[in-house]
Amino acid sequence: DAKTTQPTSMDCAEGRAANLPCNHSTISGNEYVYWYRQIHSQGPQYIIHGLKNNETNEMASLIITEDRKSSTLILPHATLRDTAVYYCIVRVEGSGGYQKVTFGIGTKLQVIP
Amino acid sequence: DTAVSQTPKYLVTQMGNDKSIKCEQNLGHDTMYWYKQDSKKFLKIMFSYNNKELIINETVPNRFSPKSPDKAHLNLHINSLELGDSAVYFCASSLVGGSKYTDTQYFGPGTRLTVL
Repeated sequence: DAKTTQPTSMDCAEGRAANLPCNHSTISGNEYVYWYRQIHSQGPQYIIHGLKNNETNEMASLIITEDRKSSTLILPHATLRDTAVYYCIVRVEGSGGYQKVTFGIGTKLQVIP
Repeated sequence: DTAVSQTPKYLVTQMGNDKSIKCEQNLGHDTMYWYKQDSKKFLKIMFSYNNKELIINETVPNRFSPKSPDKAHLNLHINSLELGDSAVYFCASSLVGGSKYTDTQYFGPGTRLTVL
C-alpha cells in the first residue's frame, strides 16, 4: 500500500468549504484514492473515491492532482455534523480483502459554529 | 434497515474469559472484515474473509478465531481475554466479486470491549 500523509487536525467555520489535503507521493498507477470518515463513536463511513479524474457525489468532491501525488477532499458547506476524523487511503480497486486497508491517523476536522 | 450490524455493542468482562462478537451484513456482499481500533485510535485490520474463506490474517494472536458460517456472517471469538484486548472492534463488508463490485467497505457500529 502507498502511504498517505494528512494534517493531524483542521478547523473549519460552519457553512464554509472544508478542504482536506492528502499526500500520496508513492501511489501506483492502479491505486485509487479513497476517503472515509469516522464520526465520534461510530464506524467509519465511505465518502468518495477516484483514480485520476475529479469526482463529486452528494457528500463531497475529490480533486486529484495531475501527477496523482496528492488530493483534496472538499466538503462544500461544512456543518457541525461533519466534525469527524477523515481518512485518506489508497488501494487497488477490486482487490477486496486481498489487499489490506491501512487507516492512518487521519485528519480531525472540527467544524466551528 | 441496518446494513452491517454487530452484537453486542458493549462488552465488559474479566481477564481470562472467552467471549464472542457477532457480525451480520444484509448487503449481499461477499467479503467481510474485522478491524481493531485501540485507545490511540489506530484502525488496524485483523482478518478478512471472501466467500467464507480466510484471506487475510494479520499478526493476531491465535486466541482470536474468526468464523464465517456463511457469506452474511463473520463472528469473532476471543479466548483467554487479556487487558490489552480492550478496544473497539469493527466489522465491515464489501463486494469484490461479480460485475457490480465497488470494493467500498461498509462498517458496523463497533463493539466496545473492556477487559477488567
